[in-house]
Amino acid sequence: AQSVTQLDSQVPVFEEAPVELRCNYSSSVSVYLFWYVQYPNQGLQLLLKYLSGSTLVKGINGFEAEFNKSQTSFHLRKPSVHISDTAEYFCAFYGGSQGNLIFGKGTKLSVKP
Amino acid sequence: DAGVIQSPRHEVTEMGQEVTLRCKPISGHDYLFWYRQTMMRGLELLIYFNNNVPIDDSGMPEDRFSAKMPNASFSNLKIQPSEPRDSAVYFCASSHSTGDTEAFFGQGTRLTVV
Repeated sequence: AQSVTQLDSQVPVFEEAPVELRCNYSSSVSVYLFWYVQYPNQGLQLLLKYLSGSTLVKGINGFEAEFNKSQTSFHLRKPSVHISDTAEYFCAFYGGSQGNLIFGKGTKLSVKP
Repeated sequence: DAGVIQSPRHEVTEMGQEVTLRCKPISGHDYLFWYRQTMMRGLELLIYFNNNVPIDDSGMPEDRFSAKMPNASFSNLKIQPSEPRDSAVYFCASSHSTGDTEAFFGQGTRLTVV
């Protein structure tokens, strides 16, 4: 079965520290990969996506993610986080014939001063 | 475009009552998705439509849930009768296609059934 696993449900970090949010997927076919962010009381919005080509993808707000096919991972990184990055982050993918995004359970990033 | 518009933003209802959640997708988008978000289960796909036709409703939890898309600019999700365990945030999303294009989400409807 196709699935997305976000290994950490919560990640607390201090402001200006680097952060990595982990995501692994399971699929027998090629996938398109996405990271979405959800700020409190808001809907989800796209941070970045990987479709093909370069495995390092840059998104909004200084985030980037690297697609690793052999490890079936798509980890999200930011070299220096801000208080305003406090939000929940969702990894997702389209796989094969399914017409919908498959989401992970989300990782809550909490940035402390 | 104003984005995906959902109404109401908040709904409080008593158990047993009918609840209707509404969604206006982005104009020109062919796909519409209904998701439910809870602390316990995360983000779950309930149903999605392509060109107003339901494609996959396997995520609809029970017969109490129904969704329709009478035209390209409107969809509703009904729960009848509602139960406390239906309390969640319900999101509508739309996209131009699937696969390589992003889905745009509405602000969500926070449903509380008491």
